[in-house]
Amino acid sequence: DTGVSQNPRHKITKRGQNVTFRCDPISEHNRLYWYRQTLGQGPEFLTYFQNEAQLEKSRLLSDRFSAERPKGSFSTLEIQRTEQGDSAMYLCASSLWEANSPLHFGNGTRLTVT
Amino acid sequence: DAKTTQPNSMESNEEEPVHLPCNHSTISGTDYIHWYRQLPSQGPEYVIHGLTSNVNNRMASLAIAEDRKSSTLILHRATLRDAAVYYCILLSNDYKLSFGAGTTVTVRA
Repeated sequence: DTGVSQNPRHKITKRGQNVTFRCDPISEHNRLYWYRQTLGQGPEFLTYFQNEAQLEKSRLLSDRFSAERPKGSFSTLEIQRTEQGDSAMYLCASSLWEANSPLHFGNGTRLTVT
Repeated sequence: DAKTTQPNSMESNEEEPVHLPCNHSTISGTDYIHWYRQLPSQGPEYVIHGLTSNVNNRMASLAIAEDRKSSTLILHRATLRDAAVYYCILLSNDYKLSFGAGTTVTVRA
């Protein structure tokens, strides 16, 4: 399978703990995106990278959130001191750099904070 | 970001066409119209996109009004696998998709 891969698929954690999610994009894709989706809503943009450079961060991405993409390959999204409001599906997508290239999404990591 | 308006839900019978409308009256000249769909428990999936001319691919057709203030996604023969939330999104030069609530499509067997 050469699609976007996200791990883990599910994560249950207690409030206050740190969690880290991983995304492996399609190998030739330069751009990588993180989105968050809560039940019944469309995905909300969090941040994106072109190669290893983080080019934009949403105001939704508080100081407790950090994303990295070392060497422009896989990416990690870390949430520190999790809160119950962080419970959501975290989606990763990748695309080529050309304008209007379709985004290819993974199936997400579902986070539940108890 | 330019906004889109879609109906909350639509129902269709299996093997019949489905026409999903989208209004985008504030679209700018450089905005492309993109459609994605999201099946239950999966990430969104690209369907089709266009600028001015109608577009066809193996999944669907996209009909764009002459003034570009509205568009329609056409699924020619709905199957049960087409039951999903369909998102109409305007994409400008910042490469960032901004999703709305979409249209939930139900397909009756």
